[in-house]
Amino acid sequence: GAVVSQHPSRVICKSGTSVKIECRSLDFQATTMFWYRQFPKQSLMLMATSNEGSKATYEQGVEKDKFLINHASLTLSTLTVTSAHPEDSSFYICSARTYWTGGRGYGYTFGSGTRLTVV
Amino acid sequence: GDSVTQMEGPVTLSEEAFLTINCTYTATGYPSLFWYVQYPGEGLQLLLKATKADDKGSNKGFEATYRKETTSFHLEKGSVQVSDSAVYFCALSGSSNTGKLIFGQGTTLQVKP
Repeated sequence: GAVVSQHPSRVICKSGTSVKIECRSLDFQATTMFWYRQFPKQSLMLMATSNEGSKATYEQGVEKDKFLINHASLTLSTLTVTSAHPEDSSFYICSARTYWTGGRGYGYTFGSGTRLTVV
Repeated sequence: GDSVTQMEGPVTLSEEAFLTINCTYTATGYPSLFWYVQYPGEGLQLLLKATKADDKGSNKGFEATYRKETTSFHLEKGSVQVSDSAVYFCALSGSSNTGKLIFGQGTTLQVKP
């Protein structure tokens, strides 16, 4: 089945530095990738939608200059948290829209998530 | 706008008990409905889905039926196991074709032996 590989799974960085999170679709082409943020014991908050070859669409309230999303190829999307601060510490998850064969519609395949801790 | 509401958790059950997690939605048109499961420290895994009214999604003993008349997609399992302990998310993908998944707040299930 469809697999999205997300790396790193955990990262600790110093305040003021930037962190890049990668999501790769391993056996399919992900034309659309979604990036979510999840706070402890809470639901997933959609941050942005990225389409291959075009600028990401950010949800209201998400700083696009802080959370840089690049979707340069059909198999790779990246989220860079720039000038990270402790309040950016969170669990970040990517998701690719996946079309099933045989006209069975579509679903979403999620990466395993990245735990970012900014100290 | 579109939204999903799940029952409050946590839900604590004994092994082999019957499980119901309620989910209702608000959406225009005909959304697709999903249940996802998240184990600690991991991403989300698709548990089951339904794409049209009266469809029943099922997987690993879990079932949910797309009820348009009551705008519901309740998750059920006849006999839970300790390994089912996780957070369960109900979600919808609207018919507006933006592709966005809208999640409920999640329900934590704890199954005790």
